[in-house]
This record gives sequence, C-alpha cells and structure tokens, in this order.
Amino acid sequence: EIVMTQSPATLSVSPGERATLSCRASQSVRNNLAWYQQKPGQPPRLLIYDTSTRATGIPARFSGSGSGTEFTLTISSLQSEDFAVYYCQQYSTWPPQTFGQGTKVEVK
Amino acid sequence: EVQLLESGGGLIQPGGSLRLSCAASGFTFSNYVMNWVRQAPGKGLEWVSAISISGESTYFADSVKGRFNISRDNSTNTLYLQMTSLRGEDTAVYYCARDSRHGSDLWGQGTLVTVSS
Repeated sequence: EIVMTQSPATLSVSPGERATLSCRASQSVRNNLAWYQQKPGQPPRLLIYDTSTRATGIPARFSGSGSGTEFTLTISSLQSEDFAVYYCQQYSTWPPQTFGQGTKVEVK
Repeated sequence: EVQLLESGGGLIQPGGSLRLSCAASGFTFSNYVMNWVRQAPGKGLEWVSAISISGESTYFADSVKGRFNISRDNSTNTLYLQMTSLRGEDTAVYYCARDSRHGSDLWGQGTLVTVSS
C-alpha cells in the first residue's frame, strides 16, 4: 500500500497570503495525484488532478506541482472561502486508492 | 442536475448489517467506475471500495474485505454497499463518488452510519 503523508497538519495563513501544502508518497505515483478541498459538513471537492490540472470551475489561484513522490498544492492568495481541509490522493497503484491525512488551512 | 444521493445510513448494533444506496442522476452512470469513501467523525478520508463499469470487478480496502460487498444496477443508476459484521470502527459518513480515472470528480452528500449498542 502506498502511504501518503501531508505536511504540515495545520497551516495558519492570513487572507491574501500564499499557502503551500506538501504531500509525499512512500513510492512513486508518477503524476497520478489529486488534491481535494473539504469544508465542514460538506463532501470533498476535487481541485487538482494529474498533479497539476485544475478541475472544472477551480480558480487559477490553485496550482499543483511535483512528480514521483513529492507534490505541492499552492494557493497563491488566500480568500476567505479557501479556509478548509485539503487532502491529497494517489490513484497510481490501487487498490487501495490512498489519501493523505489532511492539512487544515486556518486563519492566522 | 448531475448528482449522487446516498441513503440507508443509521444506527446499527455491532455485528449487524446495513445496505447503503447511492442514486445517480444527470450523467451516464454506466460509463463510470464508482467508489465508496468513508470519513470517521473528526478524521480523514478512507477509500473503502470500488466497482468496475460492468460490475464484474470489485475492490475493497483490507479493513472491510470479507465484510462489505459493493454492487451496482446500471438499469436503475444505483450503487450499493452491503455492510455486514459491523464494528465500532465502521462508524463514519459514507460517501459515494464518481471515478473519473483522475480522481473522484463527483461526490454525494454522504450518509452517516453509527455502529453502537
């Protein structure tokens, strides 16, 4: 099973600032990595797939990068609606598809 | 409207069984692999199971293998999760999700399963 590790667990950022979230895979997942955003009481929403492709309707302030085992989600200028929990997920080798434990982005 | 709607959750005693349903609408259900993903209270996301387009191939997390079964009815656009021998650690919100082959691009609102005596 591929283990996904996200850091940090919590990221405190002021509105308008840049946020950088990390995700590491225990073995290469090539570019088969997705990022999701989840707000309280809501299901996850797909933000990024194939490492760097934004899903439909996702603003350009969200960007993804990386390859192999190291990946990054960047939010260029945090808006109030971006404070949420973010998960990475690999779909390169499954079952199981595996998620990271999540990074909570909170208001500083 | 493109959507997934789960149902069937509730309070169940340990060792009991429950069947979840997920009704799909607004898209061609039979074109997609489908997943179940769960989230224990205050915890992260855990992939549970997946089923191929035809339903012939099924996949399970080790934590539920031998206890859960996934199935689908492409004639009624419905996905199912049959859960047996339920344990406290199965308590979670269960989401059905459409697999785009590049992550899950459509999620239901979830249904809560609580396993407790």
